[in-house]
Amino acid sequence: QQQVKQSPQSLIVQKGGISIINCAYENTAFDYFPWYQQFPGKGPALLIAIRPDVSEKKEGRFTISFNKSAKQFSLHIMDSQPGDSATYFCAGSYSGGGADGLTFGKGTHLIIQP
Amino acid sequence: DAGITQSPRHKVTETGTPVTLRCHQTENHRYMYWYRQDPGHGLRLIHYSYGVKDTDKGEVSDGYSVSRSKTEDFLLTLESATSSQTSVYFCAIRTGTDNYGYTFGSGTRLTVV
Repeated sequence: QQQVKQSPQSLIVQKGGISIINCAYENTAFDYFPWYQQFPGKGPALLIAIRPDVSEKKEGRFTISFNKSAKQFSLHIMDSQPGDSATYFCAGSYSGGGADGLTFGKGTHLIIQP
Repeated sequence: DAGITQSPRHKVTETGTPVTLRCHQTENHRYMYWYRQDPGHGLRLIHYSYGVKDTDKGEVSDGYSVSRSKTEDFLLTLESATSSQTSVYFCAIRTGTDNYGYTFGSGTRLTVV
């Protein structure tokens, strides 16, 4: 079963535009929702994360919006730059019991055109 | 970096041979994980460990075994490699002080021919 659904699979945005990637989760026990950024040949790196007690978190040009009732969250990249071109993964996890790790979406390949 | 290294970085092996991948950490974190990454599937959990000799299965554990005889090393073994196990394998450690942060290694690209 796929507990985290991510869309779109690929996205092309013009430089300076806003990139938006969406995720929906099924497991209501999840209490941590990170976004990872991955460049070719590298491991995923934590970009930004949110817990369900807040509806929005912003770090620089990156913002997570979280809708607990809809079980959805999204990543917004403002003023997108060519250096943002990468694959982005959303994920969910829960701390209770805690050993199970992250459940990932299938990823979004983002291309920022100059 | 959180001090996590994977070896080898690349490996080509033949179908039916055993293969062991190593994940090494330098910071004494309790939780360690093995994921595989495949196009269209994202990252899927193979096995994880919550302490020395304490391991459990993840979503895609068939054909894989793991061992953790000391805190710093988590080994992933493909008992008899198959072409379907051609993938990029990532090790991760839970590094956050509140148990929320995860750090990934650089990956091992395994090709089974």
